[in-house]
Amino acid sequence: TQLLEQSPQFLSIQEGENLTVYCNSSSVFSSLQWYRQEPGEGPVLLVTVVTGGEVKKLKRLTFQFGDARKDSSLHITAAQPGDTGLYLCAGEDRGSTLGRLYFGRGTQLTVWP
Amino acid sequence: DAGITQSPRHKVTETGTPVTLRCHQTENHRYMYWYRQDPGHGLRLIHYSYGVKDTDKGEVSDGYSVSRSKTEDFLLTLESATSSQTSVYFCAISSGTGNTYEQYFGPGTRLTVT
Repeated sequence: TQLLEQSPQFLSIQEGENLTVYCNSSSVFSSLQWYRQEPGEGPVLLVTVVTGGEVKKLKRLTFQFGDARKDSSLHITAAQPGDTGLYLCAGEDRGSTLGRLYFGRGTQLTVWP
Repeated sequence: DAGITQSPRHKVTETGTPVTLRCHQTENHRYMYWYRQDPGHGLRLIHYSYGVKDTDKGEVSDGYSVSRSKTEDFLLTLESATSSQTSVYFCAISSGTGNTYEQYFGPGTRLTVT
């Protein structure tokens, strides 16, 4: 069962454009994490959001946790080639096994110069 | 740097042979996880550990076993490798402190079963 749906699956844009990636679920999560993965490497944690409605900014990246804690979005302003990578969202469900994350399938972002 | 290493980084093996992958951490984290990553499937949990000798199954555990005899080491064994187990395997750790269980990943092991 895929608890987290990410969209779009692929995104190819020009440098300087803005984009938004979505992570949706019918389940409520106690926290949601965003990771970026580059080819040949493991995922790297970008941010964790915990409170419904929470917004966090990391330079040109803005992360938002839905009010009901079922969904999240990642917005990138003025994308750069260095933003290229696989973006993964992962939800933590305290109602199930502690410490277990449920991952979405990812959004593959390519930013062309 | 979360101090996680995986070995080997690449391995090619034949169908039916046993294979053991090692994950080593240097920061004494309680939780350790093994995932596999395949195109179109994302990261899927194989097994995890919440302490020495305490392990449990994830969503794709068939054909895999694990052991954790020391805090720092988490071993994943394919008892008899099959071609469907060709994948990239990632180990992750979590301290389980604070409000969340943030996970930190190793560099991965690319396994090919021929």
